[in-house]
Amino acid sequence: GESVGLHLPTLSVQEGDNSIINCAYSNSASDYFIWYKQESGKGPQFIIDIRSNMDKRQGQRVTVLLNKTVKHLSLQIAATQPGDSAVYFCAELLQSGGSYIPTFGRGTSLIVHP
Amino acid sequence: DARVTQTPRHKVTEMGQEVTMRCQPILGHNTVFWYRQTMMQGLELLAYFRNRAPLDDSGMPKDRFSAEMPDATLATLKIQPSEPRDSAVYFCASGLVTGSVQYFGPGTRLTVT
Repeated sequence: GESVGLHLPTLSVQEGDNSIINCAYSNSASDYFIWYKQESGKGPQFIIDIRSNMDKRQGQRVTVLLNKTVKHLSLQIAATQPGDSAVYFCAELLQSGGSYIPTFGRGTSLIVHP
Repeated sequence: DARVTQTPRHKVTEMGQEVTMRCQPILGHNTVFWYRQTMMQGLELLAYFRNRAPLDDSGMPKDRFSAEMPDATLATLKIQPSEPRDSAVYFCASGLVTGSVQYFGPGTRLTVT
């Protein structure tokens, strides 16, 4: 079946470096893509989203890039800080019956060393 | 600020016992989702509701799991009887029908011995 996966399960970076977290998706019909951040002991928290008709969206220190040709999504975090240490999930969303239903990837653990 | 709440935060129970987890969605949100998270399977969608009506619960083991929304401020997930393989963190999330973003609660960590 369709699935969302991540290339790297763990990413270690130094504080101040830029981080890039990648995600592959397989359903070309997905309408939306979202990145979530999950800190230890907490629920996933929305970071940024992008519609399927866009290829780039920027937020505060984060940028999401979407390459529909190769079905690839990435999250770039500028000037990574220790507080960015968490597990990052990508999710692809399909509209079903008027609601957006997400399928989550397995997650990438980002470790930021001070 | 508005947030999804879940109770209990932790639950340890013996195999065969009934477990009920509760969720209060953000006021005004009209979709509610239940997820289960394990190291092996990641985040799995169990069931979701729109305007309190169950739309899809195909992700749940039907013989032991049930999800309901008795009113707009309460969603419940019940397991009866519980089994050790049900040990996981269960998340509730709410959102708007017109939106794509879901707001997650802090989760209920369930351990079945």
